[in-house]
Order: sequence, then structure tokens, then C-alpha cells
Amino acid sequence: RKEVEQDPGPFNVPEGATVAFNCTYSNSASQSFFWYRQDCRKEPKLLMSVYSSGNEDGRFTAQLNRASQYISLLIRDSKLSDSATYLCVVNSPSGNNNDMRFGAGTRLTVKP
Amino acid sequence: GAVVSQHPSWVICKSGTSVKIECRSLDFQATTMFWYRQFPKQSLMLMATSNEGSKATYEQGVEKDKFLINHASLTLSTLTVTSAHPEDSSFYICSGFGTGERGYTFGSGTRLTVV
Repeated sequence: RKEVEQDPGPFNVPEGATVAFNCTYSNSASQSFFWYRQDCRKEPKLLMSVYSSGNEDGRFTAQLNRASQYISLLIRDSKLSDSATYLCVVNSPSGNNNDMRFGAGTRLTVKP
Repeated sequence: GAVVSQHPSWVICKSGTSVKIECRSLDFQATTMFWYRQFPKQSLMLMATSNEGSKATYEQGVEKDKFLINHASLTLSTLTVTSAHPEDSSFYICSGFGTGERGYTFGSGTRLTVV
């Protein structure tokens, strides 16, 4: 089983649609959770951190369910500029370090 | 915000040669640097983790003698791909983490093509 699994996608949605991505992780000791956005041939950029209480940033809402080891990202009122690959990222303890594990990513295309 | 400068952004090299990729943390001290590789249409895969002044810890299946990592200072980490082969062609990206920093800061990546 992969450490971090995401919806396979791709998601093709019209402008203005609401879209949700899901992600599950296998390491129950994982401590931090993030959603990153990666545009084609670019480095990932932090979209938002994910907290147990849930957090919202404009049109984006992230949720964490530790009991189910599940993370979600909701995008409301999709814009063309939201087209990208969304990566679920989990930070887990590893020896003396913490390391980040990435999901395979979910490709979103928002169409006019 | 925190910035990691990664160079070169792209490189083409002949098979059998070595390529060095540098990542510099510009406004923070990167106590830990992560090195990732991403093949087309795949996710980032962790190759190794390096702490300043220590030997890198490599992920299973990553050859430490082929991918040499040096993290001699808190602001510089390098990855050298030795005796590169076409199958090493990939997008290599570093990510730095420092004390007091929120989250991880990525370099802009290096696209390596071995011909």
C-alpha cells in the first residue's frame, strides 16, 4: 500500500464548479499535512496546511480526519487558473528527521 | 518568505558524465534538505534526506554511490549524479527545512536530460 494515496483524476470541470479531492495516508504517526499545487514543469508550491479543526482560505477548504487517516481539499467556484496538479503531502517522523511523502497528485483542468 | 535557489534549472549532458545540482537557502538556514526526483506524469519520489554536517540517508533503491549528496553548510546542499545514463533523465528538486520555518521550501527544480 502506498504511504499517501490520492484520487487518480483527472478532473475536468467547468468554471464555477465545486470540486473535491481526497487523500488517505497509511502512517498513523504522521504529524503534519499539506496540500501543494504543482503547475506543469514547475516546483510544488504550498497551497495550505491542513489542521484537525479544518481550515479555509478563500475558495479553498481543507479537512483532516485523523481517525480515518483522511485528508480532503474542496475548491469552490473554480477558476481557469486553478488548473494544476494538486499534491497531498504528509509529514511523518523518520529516524531523527521528518520527511515529506507525496501523493501521486490529482490533475485538475477547469474549462471555460 | 523563505527561498531556496536551485541551479542549474536545466542541463543536458552526455551519457557517462557527472552533473552537479546545487541548492542554496537564501534567507534561512536549512538544517535538513530533501532531494526528490519526478518522472513525467508521476509524483515526486524522495531520494534522500541530508542533515547539515552528516551523511545523507538514502531511500531504498537509491544508489548512494551514484547520487552523491553533500550538505556541508546550513545554506548549501548539492546532489551529484555520477556516470549519468539516459534513465537518469528526470526532474530533480530539493526542499529545505530549517528551524523556525513553517513548512518546507522547494527549489525551482532541475530538468536533467542525459543523451
